[in-house]
Amino acid sequence: DQQVKQNSPSLSVQEGRISILNCDYTNSMFDYFLWYKKYPAEGPTFLISISSIKDKNEDGRFTVFLNKSAKHLSLHIVPSQPGDSAVYFCAAMDGSSNTGKLIFGQGTTLQVKP
Amino acid sequence: NAGVTQTPKFRILKIGQSMTLQCTQDMNHNYMYWYRQDPGMGLKLIYYSVGAGITDKGEVPNGYNVSRSTTEDFPLRLELAAPSQTSVYFCASRYGPSTDTQYFGPGTRLTVL
Repeated sequence: DQQVKQNSPSLSVQEGRISILNCDYTNSMFDYFLWYKKYPAEGPTFLISISSIKDKNEDGRFTVFLNKSAKHLSLHIVPSQPGDSAVYFCAAMDGSSNTGKLIFGQGTTLQVKP
Repeated sequence: NAGVTQTPKFRILKIGQSMTLQCTQDMNHNYMYWYRQDPGMGLKLIYYSVGAGITDKGEVPNGYNVSRSTTEDFPLRLELAAPSQTSVYFCASRYGPSTDTQYFGPGTRLTVL
């Protein structure tokens, strides 16, 4: 039972254009969502997060949008840069549990072409 | 700060062998986690700890054991290695409230033949 899904295994965009990565979830208890970025042979690094009380959070070139009714979130990267090429994981948690257990999606490999 | 460190980086085991994956953090974090990542899949939680002496199972705990005798260390033990445990293992830690950032180590790539 995949509670967090990233249905696009890969995405290729041109440098300077927008990258949009999508994520869907099924568990209504999830109230905090995160995006992690992972380069080969490294551990994931935190990118941006959003609480369920918001519908948008922005940090520089990265914006995460949350649509609770659709149980859908997306990560927008504008403008995309070659250094953004990596695997992006969406993750979700039930913040009230305090355990911090994250449920991850399968990941989307982003390639930004110069 | 070194952050979260993991040893070894790579290991090949034969079926039935045992080993311990080491994880250490120097950030005085209370919470620590072990995840595994299979090819083309996301990370799945194996075990976690909310403090020294306290551990609990995650999504995929079978075939693994953990202990947490100190704040800094959270070793993961494989007792009877099986091919299904071939994976990349990541340790992570965070300081406090559940929405604090989890910091990940560089991973251990384990192959069981």
